[in-house]
Amino acid sequence: QVQLQQWGAGLLKPSETLSLTCAVYRGSFSDYYWSWLRQPPGGGLEWIGEINHRGSSSFNPSLKSRVIISVDTSMSQFSLKLSSVTAADTAMYYCAGQVDATVRYWGRGTLATVSS
Amino acid sequence: EFVLTQSPGTLSLSLGERATLSCRASQSVDSRYLAWYQQNPGQAPRLLIYGTSSRATGIPDRFSGSGSGTDFTLTISRLEPEDFAVYFCQHYGSSPPMYTFGQGTKLEIK
Repeated sequence: QVQLQQWGAGLLKPSETLSLTCAVYRGSFSDYYWSWLRQPPGGGLEWIGEINHRGSSSFNPSLKSRVIISVDTSMSQFSLKLSSVTAADTAMYYCAGQVDATVRYWGRGTLATVSS
Repeated sequence: EFVLTQSPGTLSLSLGERATLSCRASQSVDSRYLAWYQQNPGQAPRLLIYGTSSRATGIPDRFSGSGSGTDFTLTISRLEPEDFAVYFCQHYGSSPPMYTFGQGTKLEIK
């Protein structure tokens, strides 16, 4: 059973860059696509983007200009950078793994709060 | 813009009752890529149903999914205490790749 452990800074000021990393355990890193999603307080889920072990990536068009997703296959890790954050980016951020376009594995989430 | 609309927003039912949750797509979708998730407070979502009607590993058979085209349904046959949660439907579109979620249905105990 794949397990995901994520970490990163939880409190940011406007205009800073959100940086999160997710490590994958107990699974073949090359068998899945790896995603970042977010959920504002009391809100719904929003897909941010995905990457595979080769570095092939896709992004939500609404966030694409501010997002970088990278992969480190040697460490079975992938990372998210979201630049120029505002209060609207305050959310729980989840790393996740998907197979056949279904999100099967989820990290526990990291709450990122943007406040001056 | 592709949208998934879930109804009702909140569903109030009693233990043992049957729950029917709806997910409507703004255009016809490939049913292979329609999934349902359950989310309890303070937890990450959990995959329940994929490919419209296939249960994920460990999901009880009181959960079932159905539908095609633009209309999809998650049914819980007999509600247990642990079923009261928020449910999201999700679709994957490939051109370009995009995961879209419905806004969620909160299932609360009556």
